[in-house]
Amino acid sequence: GENVEQHPSTLSVQEGDSAVIKCTYSDSASNYFPWYKQELGKRPQLIIDIRSNVGEKKDQRIAVTLNKTAKHFSLHITETQPEDSAVYFCAAIPSSYKLIFGSGTRLLVRP
Amino acid sequence: EPEVTQTPSHQVTQMGQEVILRCVPISNHLYFYWYRQILGQKVEFLVSFYNNEISEKSEIFDDQFSVERPDGSNFTLKIRSTKLEDSAMYFCASSEAIQRGEKLFFGSGTQLSVL
Repeated sequence: GENVEQHPSTLSVQEGDSAVIKCTYSDSASNYFPWYKQELGKRPQLIIDIRSNVGEKKDQRIAVTLNKTAKHFSLHITETQPEDSAVYFCAAIPSSYKLIFGSGTRLLVRP
Repeated sequence: EPEVTQTPSHQVTQMGQEVILRCVPISNHLYFYWYRQILGQKVEFLVSFYNNEISEKSEIFDDQFSVERPDGSNFTLKIRSTKLEDSAMYFCASSEAIQRGEKLFFGSGTQLSVL
């Protein structure tokens, strides 16, 4: 069935370092891959997304890469700051209306 | 910036009782969704709604669940007879995107506690 795997479950980095979160998906028909940031007790917020016809997309300190052949995509955060600390969820849309989320990565940026 | 709004923010109910969770999607959005998140777990899809009907639903969305758009602004989720395992944060989301399921904006959620 449709599934999205996400790693690592927790990630601790020093302020200023880079953070990379990786996801794999099962449905090769998936064509849209968003990333959501969720701060404690708050709503998930879309931070970046990528469609399957693009291999990479960048928005300031965040970037997403997509490898359709391998069915995996990654979030890269450079020059991390304490306010980047949150839970990050990857997601994919298979051939349906529903967004399938990964299990989340708790990112801690140490000052 | 427009937001999806949800009420109430917290709902406590007894097992077996009916609850209605309310959402006001962003006004020009066409697609509406309910998701839920059990504490510490991933966000799970419940149902999508477009053109006044359900587009898709998950295995979680059984006969105890229903959705309705009673007027031009509200979108509601009803749980007919709540169970302990229904305790979760329920998020409403909406999207205007032509491509279904894209660019979802989430509400701030309703924390449902079933006792």
